[in-house]
Amino acid sequence: DQQVKQNSPSLSVQEGRISILNCDYTNSMFDYFLWYKKYPAEGPTFLISISSIKDKNEDGRFTVFLNKSAKHLSLHIVPSQPGDSAVYFCAPLNSGNTPLVFGKGTRLSVIA
Amino acid sequence: GAGVSQSPRYKVAKRGQDVALRCDPISGHVSLFWYQQALGQGPEFLTYFQNEAQLDKSGLPSDRFFAERPEGSVSTLKIQRTQQEDSAVYLCASSLDSNQPQHFGDGTRLSIL
Repeated sequence: DQQVKQNSPSLSVQEGRISILNCDYTNSMFDYFLWYKKYPAEGPTFLISISSIKDKNEDGRFTVFLNKSAKHLSLHIVPSQPGDSAVYFCAPLNSGNTPLVFGKGTRLSVIA
Repeated sequence: GAGVSQSPRYKVAKRGQDVALRCDPISGHVSLFWYQQALGQGPEFLTYFQNEAQLDKSGLPSDRFFAERPEGSVSTLKIQRTQQEDSAVYLCASSLDSNQPQHFGDGTRLSIL
């Protein structure tokens, strides 16, 4: 039973446009939500996070939105750049039980 | 070192052999995690250390898997009597403490023939 679902395995976006990556979760105990970015043959790199007490966190071109009632979060990248092409993982955790729980990832391709 | 270092990067072993995978965390990081990533999947938790104490090993798939971190720094993941289904990328991550973002190494790609 998947606790974290990223229902879009892949996404293609034109350079300069907005990329929106979605994530749904089922465990209401999750209280801290992280996004990781992964290039081939490299480990995941931490990108941005949001605590459950917030509904938005912004860092440069990256913004994460959290809708706790819907158990849904999304990552917005604007403007998208070719270097953003990677696999993006949603990874929430329950801060009282520390392992990250990863979704299957969404492969983003930004086309120049 | 700047980041989490894992060795070897690639390991090929015959079914039934034992393997040992090494992780050097970021200096000063208290928490250390091991994850297993199968092809096309997200990483899945295996085990967690806080300093030298293994606080959670609930993700280890069988008793053939064993992890240690004897001095609270370097960690080794050992797999005994390897089987084909053990083929995966094994990722190590460390963090300053359990509620800080985890920083990942580049992983060890294990292939069991």
